[in-house]
Amino acid sequence: GEDVEQSLFLSVREGDSSVINCTYTDSSSTYLYWYKQEPGAGLQLLTYIFSNMDMKQDQRLTVLLNKKDKHLSLRIADTQTGDSAIYFCAERPRDDKIIFGKGTRLHILP
Amino acid sequence: GAVVSQHPSRVICKSGTSVKIECRSLDFQATTMFWYRQFPKKSLMLMATSNEGSKATYEQGVEKDKFLINHASLTLSTLTVTSAHPEDSSFYICSAAGTGNGYTFGSGTRLTVV
Repeated sequence: GEDVEQSLFLSVREGDSSVINCTYTDSSSTYLYWYKQEPGAGLQLLTYIFSNMDMKQDQRLTVLLNKKDKHLSLRIADTQTGDSAIYFCAERPRDDKIIFGKGTRLHILP
Repeated sequence: GAVVSQHPSRVICKSGTSVKIECRSLDFQATTMFWYRQFPKKSLMLMATSNEGSKATYEQGVEKDKFLINHASLTLSTLTVTSAHPEDSSFYICSAAGTGNGYTFGSGTRLTVV
């Protein structure tokens, strides 16, 4: 069945890089997304990648896509306390469907 | 694992009619349900948060008389778009907060109002 998997927790020291991993099952998805949720807020779209791309970089964010292994990762360079949030991976196999992972809670250690 | 079933996945309705979207938690009790609306390639906007048995808490700018949310049981929450208009056309998605199990999302509903 369709599923998106990601670990629930990640702790990283301030200044280090954070890498959040995600695996998905539907190879037909043309878009893959990373969302950020801060306490009390909605889901903010951080970045997305087309399935025909391997990598996308946007300032401190780097998204890597391994389509063969159906593996997506989000790297946050120089992690700051403001990066503390829940990060959701999602795939969109078609226009009327989006499948989210359960979210990775990123905790920043001083 | 925890599953939220959202129906319908796609609906087309005439302007002025009402549409109901359902989210059911299939194998867990969803004490809190979140309803989101997404515009193309944009963030998911939180519309409201509902707790089972109580009135939903709506975010600023969301009309509670237009977007009726009911969360009468621990396994079912509904969003009714009343007197729908073309500007209500969007992608709606629900999410249930798990107890130590992360968030579980429905797969979304594409609403088109003609």
